[in-house]
Amino acid sequence: SAVISQKPSRDICQRGTSLTIQCQVDSQVTMMFWYRQQPGQSLTLIATANQGSEATYESGFVIDKFPISRPNLTFSTLTVSNMSPEDSSIYLCSVGPTQGLTDTQYFGPGTRLTVL
Amino acid sequence: GNSVTQMEGPVTLSEEAFLTINCTYTATGYPSLFWYVQYPGEGLQLLLKATKADDKGSNKGFEATYRKETTSFHLEKGSVQVSDSAVYFCALIKIQGAQKLVFGQGTRLTINP
Repeated sequence: SAVISQKPSRDICQRGTSLTIQCQVDSQVTMMFWYRQQPGQSLTLIATANQGSEATYESGFVIDKFPISRPNLTFSTLTVSNMSPEDSSIYLCSVGPTQGLTDTQYFGPGTRLTVL
Repeated sequence: GNSVTQMEGPVTLSEEAFLTINCTYTATGYPSLFWYVQYPGEGLQLLLKATKADDKGSNKGFEATYRKETTSFHLEKGSVQVSDSAVYFCALIKIQGAQKLVFGQGTRLTINP
């Protein structure tokens, strides 16, 4: 399985600011995904990020609030814009396979965000 | 649409007890099924998976069997340890079309010594 790192691991931010979260993988992967885990809740998919194309957002998530970049096959960023306390969550990236389709996703350690 | 339902937690057991966490799913076609585990303060780790009916996934003493007739994928372990304390998520994915993991609500497990 791929080794996935995220930066920062945690942050405390002020309302109205933005935070960019980085996800780095140790091998080239086709698909990368961003999830949100609100306190005490399950995971919800924010968007799917494929290299060379715009991210595909799930219902309830918009590009202006969660812009995503995918400049190459090993890296992606998620920005949480104009933050409010409701954005306090763990944000996790996950990756699909190095090539082709597969059913298994592997997750990074997550970024724990607190918005004051 | 696709959905996953897990037994409600939290679940508290004594060390060496038998564990079952129920998981049922709703999906068209033939999804792949997963159990992920989240230890305190960490991200998600894949625990086990099964890709077709009657497959049994196993890892670290945990087992789950893909039961299409009952649309279930219950997680079991014969003798739990304190180190098994974590949140367990059942999930499904359909490889055809959007590769979207659908998670259950999670079950918090606490094992007391």
